[in-house]
Amino acid sequence: EDKVVQSPLSLVVHEGDTVTLNCSYEVTNFRSLLWYKQEKKAPTFLFMLTSSGIEKKSGRLSSILDKKELFSILNITATQTGDSAVYLCAVDSGSARQLTFGSGTQLTVLP
Amino acid sequence: EAQVTQNPRYLITVTGKKLTVTCSQNMNHEYMSWYRQDPGLGLRQIYYSMNVEVTDKGDVPEGYKVSRKEKRNFPLILESPSPNQTSLYFCASRPAGNQPQHFGDGTRLSIL
Repeated sequence: EDKVVQSPLSLVVHEGDTVTLNCSYEVTNFRSLLWYKQEKKAPTFLFMLTSSGIEKKSGRLSSILDKKELFSILNITATQTGDSAVYLCAVDSGSARQLTFGSGTQLTVLP
Repeated sequence: EAQVTQNPRYLITVTGKKLTVTCSQNMNHEYMSWYRQDPGLGLRQIYYSMNVEVTDKGDVPEGYKVSRKEKRNFPLILESPSPNQTSLYFCASRPAGNQPQHFGDGTRLSIL
């Protein structure tokens, strides 16, 4: 059974801090790893990672994948209160089942 | 605007009263899925569909039905809802190939 584990489950920081969210996985087949941000409603897409060691970056957010060690990290620098959300990691095995999600990391950024 | 639309957004109902949550996408996507989200458990897939008339079970299909008669629509049917189906439900779609999923805004169901 495919498995995706995220840590920590929750994190409280102050504005300006840098945070690192972790995602490890055990899957039968791997096509890509995806990060989503979920605020009040629908998860919104952040990154898709397919190749090991190549960093994806968007503003203060960045992510990297290690396919040998089967994990990914999501970094957020200079956090803002608007970064408060649940961050979801998912693995696409390339099968019709599509995605297996982790349980998410609840990030709270205090002013 | 490209979107996945779910209805209703909120529903409170009683045990045993059949209900349908509709999902429609306007992006001509082949793949569609239903997920439920519960605290501490993340998103769990209920059913998915690869194309019209092609559906299959996900991780937690018990108590649910789906149909895919048209490419754009993928309704979720609860024939006899029970309180353990109280949850936040998301519909998602994506095209064939290695592309991210697009999610609807969610439907919060409460079964009393």
